[in-house]
Amino acid sequence: GAVVSQHPSWVICKSGTSVKIECRSLDFQATTMFWYRQFPKQSLMLMATSNEGSKATYEQGVEKDKFLINHASLTLSTLTVTSAHPEDSSFYICSARALAGGWAGELFFGEGSRLTVL
Amino acid sequence: KQEVTQIPAALSVPEGENLVLNCSFTDSAIYNLQWFRQDPGKGLTSLLLIQSSQREQTSGRLNASLDKSSGRSTLYIAASQPGDSATYLCASRNQAGTALIFGKGTTLSVSS
Repeated sequence: GAVVSQHPSWVICKSGTSVKIECRSLDFQATTMFWYRQFPKQSLMLMATSNEGSKATYEQGVEKDKFLINHASLTLSTLTVTSAHPEDSSFYICSARALAGGWAGELFFGEGSRLTVL
Repeated sequence: KQEVTQIPAALSVPEGENLVLNCSFTDSAIYNLQWFRQDPGKGLTSLLLIQSSQREQTSGRLNASLDKSSGRSTLYIAASQPGDSATYLCASRNQAGTALIFGKGTTLSVSS
């Protein structure tokens, strides 16, 4: 299958700082990427839908000013957690929807990024 | 809004047993349904993808079925092994352009 790369795979930061997580589709283009968060022993909760060249669509209850999403190209979406607090500590996973080719329409997942806010 | 439920939440079996994991969804108008495996602290591994027009998919010891009319899917694991121990997640998409909606998962432990 196609490869989606997330970076960093883990990050530790101090409370009040901002952290950027990158999601890249390595061998396909993706007009749409999805961001999820997963608390320990919980399932994946959809945070937002990221569309290339337009504003992201956030799920109910997700603060768009706190979780900034940018999808500037067909292969890269970024999630920035602004003014992070300990309650933002979580596992963040992105998913990219293949635009065309043999994988058209399929969703591929990154390996996730574990954020720990001290 | 689509809701996905998985039963049981946890399951412990001895090695060699055949087992069934259950998944139900509230909106039967799904585009596809997918089963994933997640090891502790890791990302997702896709196991089986069933399109809405299909009734089942098989891969090795795994078989997933889909019954849209009843809003159910099952994942059958034959001859379970300790290496099968993981959390199994069921997820569905309602339309081609939408995200997957996940259940809470079933955590499987297979003892040797």
